[in-house]
Amino acid sequence: DIQMTQSPSSLSASVGDRVTITCRASQTIKSYLNWYQQKPGKAPKLLIYAASSLQSGVPSRFSGSGSGTDFTLTISSLQPEDFATYFCQQSYSLRTFGQGTKVEIK
Amino acid sequence: EVQLAESGGGLVRPGGSLRLSCTPSGFNLSDYNMNWVRQSPGKGLEWVSYISRRSGTTYHADSVKGRFTISRDNAENSLYLQMNSLRAEDTAVYYCARDSSLQSGYDKYFYFDLWGRGTLVTVSS
Repeated sequence: DIQMTQSPSSLSASVGDRVTITCRASQTIKSYLNWYQQKPGKAPKLLIYAASSLQSGVPSRFSGSGSGTDFTLTISSLQPEDFATYFCQQSYSLRTFGQGTKVEIK
Repeated sequence: EVQLAESGGGLVRPGGSLRLSCTPSGFNLSDYNMNWVRQSPGKGLEWVSYISRRSGTTYHADSVKGRFTISRDNAENSLYLQMNSLRAEDTAVYYCARDSSLQSGYDKYFYFDLWGRGTLVTVSS
């Protein structure tokens, strides 16, 4: 089974900050990596698919990069509505999620 | 509006059974592969099960293999998750999620582009 490890598990940031979250796969997954945002009490929302493709309707301040085993989600300028938990997911072999990164207000 | 709606959750005793349903609006279920994902209280997301468009292929996570069965009735436009031999650790919000894909060269990338709001399953005596 492919394991996904996110870091950090949580972070504190201010509005306007550049935020980077990383995700590492236990084996190569090429570009089969997706990112989701989840707010309390809500279903997850797709942000990025295929490592770097922005889902329709998602603000351009979100971007994804990486391939193989190491991936990054970047929020270029954190907005109030971005405080949430972010999950990576591999779809190379079945599906596995990372444990999540909670982005909190500093 | 394109959406998914889960139902069937509730309180069940350990060892009991429950069947969850997922009904789409705004699109035909038969056009998509589908999944179930769960989230225990205060925890992360765990993929549970997958079913192909015509039910030819199903997969289950090791944690539920042999106890849970995913199925679908395209004529009824419904997705199901039959959960047997339930345990306390199965307590979670269960989401159905639509599987979409992007073909790029020889690769076909899959992602969950639509999620339901979830239904809570509580396993407790």
